[in-house]
Amino acid sequence: SAVISQKPSRDICQRGTSLTIQCQVDSQVTMMFWYRQQPGQSLTLIATANQGSEATYESGFVIDKFPISRPNLTFSTLTVSNMSPEDSSIYLCSVEAGQSNYGYTFGSGTRLTVV
Amino acid sequence: LAKTTQPISMDSYEGQEVNITCSHNNIATNDYITWYQQFPSQGPRFIIQGYKTKVTNEVASLFIPADRKSSTLSLPRVSLSDTAVYYCLVGGRRDSSYKLIFGSGTRLLVRP
Repeated sequence: SAVISQKPSRDICQRGTSLTIQCQVDSQVTMMFWYRQQPGQSLTLIATANQGSEATYESGFVIDKFPISRPNLTFSTLTVSNMSPEDSSIYLCSVEAGQSNYGYTFGSGTRLTVV
Repeated sequence: LAKTTQPISMDSYEGQEVNITCSHNNIATNDYITWYQQFPSQGPRFIIQGYKTKVTNEVASLFIPADRKSSTLSLPRVSLSDTAVYYCLVGGRRDSSYKLIFGSGTRLLVRP
């Protein structure tokens, strides 16, 4: 199945700044998914990114706060804008595994701490 | 929209079989059920996926009753390395969009 590389793996940022997280896949994929995992919590889908179109955001997440780019079929970025301590979480990207009945593959995540 | 619930935690001993259940009363017709294992500082790792009845692979079995409102992940003969958080994921493609709902996770502790 697809292999995902996420950068950075972790970062500590000042409040009010923005961080862009990169997700690189080793094969072409139609959809890429971005999740947030708050400390000690489950994963929540932020948005779905299709190449060549605007990302689709889940309830509670807005483009101004989490702009997403999807310039090609192997790459996407998620920006966390105007950060506050409440944005401290792990952010993960995911793609469909590419084989039937193998679900979704996840990157190892970006651990963000906002101070 | 499927809301998924799982037990918060479970304890077991090495060599025992562990069954973790996920409730998803509002599962939609096109939704699949997928289970993941997550270790600290890692992304979720795929365990097994199913739609209905029983699915088995080399590491686990997944039981889904006819009404599909719940599912049970079965781990045979767990070892210490199976200590992790286990999540069920319910959802899939809905026309041109996706709905993917993770359960709250079950923290499994395997004792010697």
